[in-house]
Amino acid sequence: QVQLVQSGAEVKKPGASVKVSCKTSGYTFAAYYMHWVRQAPGQGLEWMGWMNLNTGGTYYAQKFQGRVTMTRDTSMSTAYMELSRLTSDDSAVYYCARGIGDIVVVPDATRPPYSDYWGQGTLVTVSS
Amino acid sequence: DIQMTQSPSSLSASVGDRVTITCRTSQSISNYLNWYQQKPGKAPKLLIYAASSLQSGVPSRFSGSGSGTDFTLTISSLQPEDFATYYCQQSYSPPWTFGQGTKVEIK
Repeated sequence: QVQLVQSGAEVKKPGASVKVSCKTSGYTFAAYYMHWVRQAPGQGLEWMGWMNLNTGGTYYAQKFQGRVTMTRDTSMSTAYMELSRLTSDDSAVYYCARGIGDIVVVPDATRPPYSDYWGQGTLVTVSS
Repeated sequence: DIQMTQSPSSLSASVGDRVTITCRTSQSISNYLNWYQQKPGKAPKLLIYAASSLQSGVPSRFSGSGSGTDFTLTISSLQPEDFATYYCQQSYSPPWTFGQGTKVEIK
């Protein structure tokens, strides 16, 4: 069965970086995509970016550009998301989610993409 | 970025009720719209993709409709396990954006 298992909770100081891992199993890793989504306490969902697990290509939301780096290790079927220069506003649960379909679509010609399986989430707390 | 507006932000309903949640987008997105359910402390779960396609394993009481800028998630007969927060998400143009969520509570 498809599984995405994320690394454990982290506590970081302001200005530090955090790297969250997402180990997958039950499917062909590089045949899909990976999205990263975060959720601040009591808030809604915020999409951070996407990686093509075959090519390594990425797309980052403008809000996170310059601070986020998404990578993967195909031999380990694991995706990573690193966020730098942390502030208290980055305290959140971070989710990886398997992506179906490319994020660049040809309207009405490309099948709509979506995320079907999600990791359990990784709580990142930024505190001095 | 495409803005998503869900309504209502919360609702109270009873078991057996028919529930409708609406999602409106700031520009036309054809059918590039997904719905997720999230329970407290859990990851979101995909319910509907491509506006109206039911994800495998999701009960048939969930349905989605709409195209363009107006979309609806309907729960035909609310069950105890359906009390949760529901999010719409557009996948038409990055950055993908979510609605603010609709919390469905027990009346």
